[in-house]
Amino acid sequence: DAGVTQSPTHLIKTRGQQVTLRCSPKSGHDTVSWYQQALGQGPQFIFQYYEEEERQRGNFPDRFSGHQFPNYSSELNVNALLLGDSALYLCASRIGLTPSMGEQYFGPGTRLTVT
Amino acid sequence: GIQVEQSPPDLILQEGANSTLRCNFSDSVNNLQWFHQNPWGQLINLFYIPSGTKQNGRLSATTVATERYSLLYISSSQTTDSGVYFCAVVGAGGTSYGKLTFGQGTILTVHP
Repeated sequence: DAGVTQSPTHLIKTRGQQVTLRCSPKSGHDTVSWYQQALGQGPQFIFQYYEEEERQRGNFPDRFSGHQFPNYSSELNVNALLLGDSALYLCASRIGLTPSMGEQYFGPGTRLTVT
Repeated sequence: GIQVEQSPPDLILQEGANSTLRCNFSDSVNNLQWFHQNPWGQLINLFYIPSGTKQNGRLSATTVATERYSLLYISSSQTTDSGVYFCAVVGAGGTSYGKLTFGQGTILTVHP
């Protein structure tokens, strides 16, 4: 049973550039969420995708956008990178949208460094 | 939105000791999960426990939803238990719908 996978593992970008991170959910899962974890902090919710639509969004600017594909995989795009975007980006998956619908599982993360 | 507080922020133990980590939350929840984050950043699921008590080996957890807290117990700690422990909840209110809100974590260090 494949777990949540993310790519790439590490990424170094320059201020102002754009980046795309990728996530494949756990087998059987159809809902994908993205989280940003700054050093020493707990993960912060960015947004959630279900049926290829953004269903909920956290307190992040429009520079952060996403997409979900028919096979449930997802991308996170960040435009006009700032130094403060340096963080570990985590993808999580679960089944359905109903809040009580069970556990979320996380991928290994992509560590983004903006210089 | 819902607030999650974890205590203590740091915990240092000798191998073999027992410990209790606490998670308080400010509102009703639909989900509650405990995670262990390893040094490489991977969040490992420990418990999915919106209410009640569960045990898995040396670890157990209890959530008292009516009093808005959860406890994670680690018995006979080992050096491999070191890392950051997070509590995360999905609030029952409209603004928390579907997303996990994390606490700041407890950093556990177990010395041999």
